[in-house]
Amino acid sequence: AQSVTQPDIHITVSEGASLELRCNYSYGATPYLFWYVQSPGQGLQLLLKYFSGDTLVQGIKGFEAEFKRSQSSFNLRKPSVHWSDAAEYFCAVGGGYGGSQGNLIFGKGTKLSVKP
Amino acid sequence: DAGVTQSPTHLIKTRGQQVTLRCSPKSGHDTVSWYQQALGQGPQFIFQYYEEEERQRGNFPDRFSGHQFPNYSSELNVNALLLGDSALYLCASSYGSGNTIYFGEGSWLTVV
Repeated sequence: AQSVTQPDIHITVSEGASLELRCNYSYGATPYLFWYVQSPGQGLQLLLKYFSGDTLVQGIKGFEAEFKRSQSSFNLRKPSVHWSDAAEYFCAVGGGYGGSQGNLIFGKGTKLSVKP
Repeated sequence: DAGVTQSPTHLIKTRGQQVTLRCSPKSGHDTVSWYQQALGQGPQFIFQYYEEEERQRGNFPDRFSGHQFPNYSSELNVNALLLGDSALYLCASSYGSGNTIYFGEGSWLTVV
């Protein structure tokens, strides 16, 4: 069955520290992988996506993610966290009809808190 | 350029009632998907519309139905509301297949 697991429900890091959010997926075909961020009461904003090619993907706001097929992982990283990064982060996998990404499977999310 | 817009932003309904949520896709987008996000959970795919037809459907009962109009806007209808339908309903749009989808801010539905 297709699924996404985000093992960490809540992570707290100090401002300026590095960050890694974990994501593991189960998907039968070649996956399309995504990271989204959601601030309280808001919709989802796309941080980055992986379709094919270079396994290290750069996104917005200084985030990057690395696709590791052997580990079925797509972990999100940032070298130095800012207080404004506090939010909930969702990993998603998709493929959908004809390769569209409309049918995404999301993890349950990781809530990031940032200490001053 | 307006992004994905949804209305209403918040609403409260009573069990057994029916609700209609609306979505206007980002300019140039022709595909609309709907997701339900319960509190503390990730979004769950409800269905996707393309060319005014339901193209894919997630694991949701028939109480959930939708429609896409010729201008690509879409509606989500939920009949016989249950308390468990209380959630944030997100609309997402994209252009064709193989392109990034963009989410709206969502409609918060509370069923009492």
